[in-house]
Amino acid sequence: SQQGEEDPQALSIQEGENATMNCSYKTSINNLQWYRQNSGRGLVHLILIRSNEREKHSGRLRVTLDTSKKSSSLLITASRAADTASYFCATDGVGGGSNYKLTFGKGTLLTVNP
Amino acid sequence: EAGVTQFPSHSVIEKGQTVTLRCDPISGHDNLYWYRRVMGKEIKFLLHFVKESKQDESGMPNNRFLAERTGGTYSTLKVQPAELEDSGVYFCASSRGGRGYGANVLTFGAGSRLTVL
Repeated sequence: SQQGEEDPQALSIQEGENATMNCSYKTSINNLQWYRQNSGRGLVHLILIRSNEREKHSGRLRVTLDTSKKSSSLLITASRAADTASYFCATDGVGGGSNYKLTFGKGTLLTVNP
Repeated sequence: EAGVTQFPSHSVIEKGQTVTLRCDPISGHDNLYWYRRVMGKEIKFLLHFVKESKQDESGMPNNRFLAERTGGTYSTLKVQPAELEDSGVYFCASSRGGRGYGANVLTFGAGSRLTVL
């Protein structure tokens, strides 16, 4: 079964606006990560939040994690055309060596219009 | 440092043929992963190497897929014979963290797009 599931599947905004993407997952996790993929490129790690953290910032990125609801959100503030990409959340599992395996969702396609 | 390199970037083959994808991880990264994304679906885990050993191959679809990692350096993923449903983008990723390391942040290659006709 799918672990990470992003919402919405597609989001189109204007430059300067904020973009919020959500991710839900099913099982307990150690960490949750967000990755970005530009068209034709590999995934690039953006930010990691640990299961005992509730919020984390990195530049224009803000990630929240609610383990009681098994959900996370990624906020990109003051978006730019260069932020146009697909965004994926990825989780790793609890216990033993399972934290090495990341489980991804289908991603959110963000389009930032100039 | 050089990133994760994958070759070829795009391969078009006919059903029943064989294709071999190659991945060169970041030097010094013991962990190497293969993932696949079929059009419109989630990125799915295929397998994980620690050095030259297969740590977990639970995501490999069937025995038409064979992955190797020679001497713990580069890895190959062979599909033989290829079927239509094998089409997709195959991503390779590597990381320095070992099993039980904690957070496992992956560095991905650009992917190899496989089209089976």
